[in-house]
Amino acid sequence: GAVVSQHPSRVICKSGTSVKIECRSLDFQATTMFWYRQFPKQSLMLMATSNEGSKATYEQGVEKDKFLINHASLTLSTLTVTSAHPEDSSFYICSVQKPGQGAYEQYFGPGTRLTVT
Amino acid sequence: AQSVAQPEDQVNVAEGNPLTVKCTYSVSGNPYLFWYVQYPNRGLQFLLKYITGDNLVKGSYGFEAEFNKSQTSFHLKKPSALVSDSALYFCAVRDMIRGPRQLTFGSGTQLTVLP
Repeated sequence: GAVVSQHPSRVICKSGTSVKIECRSLDFQATTMFWYRQFPKQSLMLMATSNEGSKATYEQGVEKDKFLINHASLTLSTLTVTSAHPEDSSFYICSVQKPGQGAYEQYFGPGTRLTVT
Repeated sequence: AQSVAQPEDQVNVAEGNPLTVKCTYSVSGNPYLFWYVQYPNRGLQFLLKYITGDNLVKGSYGFEAEFNKSQTSFHLKKPSALVSDSALYFCAVRDMIRGPRQLTFGSGTQLTVLP
């Protein structure tokens, strides 16, 4: 499998502040990365698809101005939660899609636990 | 549209016994099917996939899954469960031709293997 890192692994912030989460593809260049959020004991919900060099594609119901995604290089995508509120507390997971071979597989990062107080 | 269902929120099995975690799917075309495992506060780890070929797919840690097109199922199995297999398991699907690029995940099944 491929190695995907996320930083930080855990962050606590105060309501109203912004938090940036990084996702790095360490084994290959990824033109496409995905951002998910997961609530306790629930499945992963896709938030957005991050495309290198272009605007991210957001899923219905996800506020693009609140969850800013920047895919500035082929190995790095960032998710910034702006003006965070307690309801934004969640587990955020990124994944990268391996190019070629029909792009069958996604490789997931270890996740970032965000707690907004 | 593509969707996947995991009908059991929780599966309990005794160590050494066989285990099955169920998954059914719905796609317009042909499916790509995946199983992932998640340990507490961790990301997802890939277990196995079905793309084409043999209906019985063998994956990591002794897991296997059988693709059944007529029943639109892709159940995860292991002949002899270990306590360390206790985790949250997700089935995922992607429509090969008509679906979006991203995966659609099931709701997850919590597997508990009792010593």
